[in-house]
Amino acid sequence: QQQVKQSPQSLIVQKGGISIINCAYENTAFDYFPWYQQFPGKGPALLIAIRPDVSEKKEGRFTISFNKSAKQFSLHIMDSQPGDSATYFCAASPDSNYQLIWGAGTKLIIKP
Amino acid sequence: SAVISQKPSRDICQRGTSLTIQCQVDSQVTMMFWYRQQPGQSLTLIATANQGSEATYESGFVIDKFPISRPNLTFSTLTVSNMSPEDSSIYLCSVSVTNTGELFFGEGSRLTVL
Repeated sequence: QQQVKQSPQSLIVQKGGISIINCAYENTAFDYFPWYQQFPGKGPALLIAIRPDVSEKKEGRFTISFNKSAKQFSLHIMDSQPGDSATYFCAASPDSNYQLIWGAGTKLIIKP
Repeated sequence: SAVISQKPSRDICQRGTSLTIQCQVDSQVTMMFWYRQQPGQSLTLIATANQGSEATYESGFVIDKFPISRPNLTFSTLTVSNMSPEDSSIYLCSVSVTNTGELFFGEGSRLTVL
């Protein structure tokens, strides 16, 4: 019940396309859902986060869609660029002050 | 935000030896964490480094293998003791500086045990 399941494991998208990464959770107590971006040789960095009181949050080309009834959330990257090539991790926790439960990660490659 | 410096950035060690990883933060933080990340894998929390008291370890990690020090609010060390090849991994220091839940990470220490 503590797991966060992330898919796909890897994703190749053409430049300018839409990248979509999905996550699902079981624990209904989760109420904080961040996405982290990690470049090779670097630590993860927060990209965008959402709480379940909204169904969507957009920051620039990055959008989180949240479906509380389905217990799923996804990251959409619009107009994907080669610089977006990185590993993306979804995560969840019951509170922003609690430890995150991490997804397995998605390696995204944007082809020029 | 927070800037985190980790040392060493990488090291190659012999089986049976120990290595200490340092984490320095540019501001005082309450919450400091140590993670392990196998190459191409997700993050696994090792422990929460508590200032002035013993670290809090996650299931599967013990103090004898991963002793942690936290002498003040800007610095912590993680020691990987009696290393084996299975300890080869990236070790990441992380801090939380606000109540928003955002974690800031160092660049990691890549450890290879031969």
